[in-house]
Amino acid sequence: AQKITQTQPGMFVQEKEAVTLDCTYDTSDQSYGLFWYKQPSSGEMIFLIYQGSYDEQNATEGRYSLNFQKARKSANLVISASQLGDSAMYFCAMREETSGSRLTFGEGTQLTVNP
Amino acid sequence: DVKVTQSSRYLVKRTGEKVFLECVQDMDHENMFWYRQDPGLGLRLIYFSYDVKMKEKGDIPEGYSVSREKKERFSLILESASTNQTSMYLCASSSLGWGAGYGYTFGSGTRLTVV
Repeated sequence: AQKITQTQPGMFVQEKEAVTLDCTYDTSDQSYGLFWYKQPSSGEMIFLIYQGSYDEQNATEGRYSLNFQKARKSANLVISASQLGDSAMYFCAMREETSGSRLTFGEGTQLTVNP
Repeated sequence: DVKVTQSSRYLVKRTGEKVFLECVQDMDHENMFWYRQDPGLGLRLIYFSYDVKMKEKGDIPEGYSVSREKKERFSLILESASTNQTSMYLCASSSLGWGAGYGYTFGSGTRLTVV
């Protein structure tokens, strides 16, 4: 079974609007961590935000927030007030306690911000 | 500024050639990883290493080998390059530990074309 699923190959949003990028995960571990990375067209991978499975609060980092719904096994990324520079590929990833330090990535979502 | 450096940004090789992709990190990280990235498939783990001279197979190791003779350097080797190994290759490193600060630092990627 796919461990990380991103069901939106492409998303479009108007500048200054909010957008949600979906991510669902599958694990039987009690302890795990969820990461979001951004990959602009230049190819570099940029860490955005992290959520631990035991974290009570949803993680936030500036305009990024993670809508963590543990029972539903979802970890959606919310970008508020979209900017043209947010146009990029976004990857959700999971680290499981039983997998050591390795991350498993989803297929990615290509976000386009329109002016 | 911490860095993971991949030796080549773009590489063109012929079918059957032996190809070396080099990755060097300056963060004294224990863990190093090689992924390939293909459209619609996300990032898939090829090999990883937790320590010098240690290596473990990832999800798609066939056709690849690795070498880690020094802590800072992790090399990916395509023994006999084939056209289906045309891809973007990403190297990453991380330290031991758990939490937001223990995600990956990525290199800028090597886009390999096998003709």
